[in-house]
Amino acid sequence: DSGVTQTPKHLITATGQRVTLRCSPRSGDLSVYWYQQSLDQGLQFLIQYYNGEERAKGNILERFSAQQFPDLHSELNLSSLELGDSALYFCASSVVGVGMGNEQFFGPGTRLTVL
Amino acid sequence: DAKTTQPTSMDCAEGRAANLPCNHSTISGNEYVYWYRQIHSQGPQYIIHGLKNNETNEMASLIITEDRKSSTLILPHATLRDTAVYYCIVRGGSQGNLIFGKGTKLSVKP
Repeated sequence: DSGVTQTPKHLITATGQRVTLRCSPRSGDLSVYWYQQSLDQGLQFLIQYYNGEERAKGNILERFSAQQFPDLHSELNLSSLELGDSALYFCASSVVGVGMGNEQFFGPGTRLTVL
Repeated sequence: DAKTTQPTSMDCAEGRAANLPCNHSTISGNEYVYWYRQIHSQGPQYIIHGLKNNETNEMASLIITEDRKSSTLILPHATLRDTAVYYCIVRGGSQGNLIFGKGTKLSVKP
């Protein structure tokens, strides 16, 4: 158990819908990362927040957005869903945002299925 | 970021040492070598990281060559539970996120 929690574990929805994935980082970790893992693209970095502020952006679509709240939990919002958005979505957390020792601890993931 | 090259797959007998190689010939001076693994659709798990010196923890050892162009992750006594995809990642000190390649699929066989 990494200490990172993600809800829900599974999510099945239809094209065009909007969903929200939630992540609670390990106690004391200030940085949260979101990654997407699909069969054809592998693990891809989406976005990073550090202490409530956006820190880095990766291959995140404009239909996707995220935020980190004052209690440091984070939510990833996916809208206008398409079949290709079906994937595993992982959240990770780390104590610091960059630098030495910035090992990341991953949650169990949310499996999103868009029908 | 420096790119890494890993074998697509490897087999290892249970109880033997598993040695997973990684080439990162374009690594720069401030970039670290990280190893993560992912056991069948679970969240990736941090294993170990290093800059120049060899490192050891309760899970594994990391051997980095003197020129830092390659490294080897060693699982000293592989068990069936070590069957996973192992990712070698090179990351700069000013960067937060990880860039995953395809990794090495390690199969530990009885």
